[in-house]
Amino acid sequence: ETGVTQSPTHLIKTRGQQVTLRCSSQSGHNTVSWYQQALGQGPQFIFQYYREEENGRGNFPPRFSGLQFPNYSSELNVNALELDDSALYLCASSTTGKGEQYFGPGTRLTVT
Amino acid sequence: QQPVQSPQAVILREGEDAVINCSSSKALYSVHWYRQKHGEAPVFLMILLKGGEQKGHDKISASFNEKKQQSSLYLTASQLSYSGTYFCGTGSNFGNEKLTFGTGTRLTIIP
Repeated sequence: ETGVTQSPTHLIKTRGQQVTLRCSSQSGHNTVSWYQQALGQGPQFIFQYYREEENGRGNFPPRFSGLQFPNYSSELNVNALELDDSALYLCASSTTGKGEQYFGPGTRLTVT
Repeated sequence: QQPVQSPQAVILREGEDAVINCSSSKALYSVHWYRQKHGEAPVFLMILLKGGEQKGHDKISASFNEKKQQSSLYLTASQLSYSGTYFCGTGSNFGNEKLTFGTGTRLTIIP
């Protein structure tokens, strides 16, 4: 069974740029949730994708957007990067009807 | 609103017991517990559904008091590998949950 994978591991971007982060869900999982984790804080829910549609969104502006593909993998896109976007971005996969979510290793984004 | 965890940090000697609490101001449907080691992803420990259900595996167990909107994580005879930051995540809809994570509890186990 393949676990959740994310790419890239680390990324450094300049304020105002755009970034795309990728996530492959665990085998058999059809739902992907994205979280932002600032240093020393708990993860904050960004949004969730199920059946290629956004299925709930946290308190994040529209410049955070996403996609889910037919193979259940997902992308997180952030436009017009701000310094406060510097964080660890985690994706978690799960299966409908089973509550547990399994996290990937994360992408560390640094905005300068 | 973010659940509040207590204590914020605790240091134990190997073999001692610990209790970590998670309190929410909102009605809870489920509570998820995770452990995160420095620089790593959160690792799923267990999920509890409303109904006061207690779960456990190995020497880690948890309870969920729906009326008090609280959950507690119990670590018995702690091992060095238990060190890390523990987060509770609360959900309002079982199935495709969007978790609201707590403030975290940093647990350090010393030999």
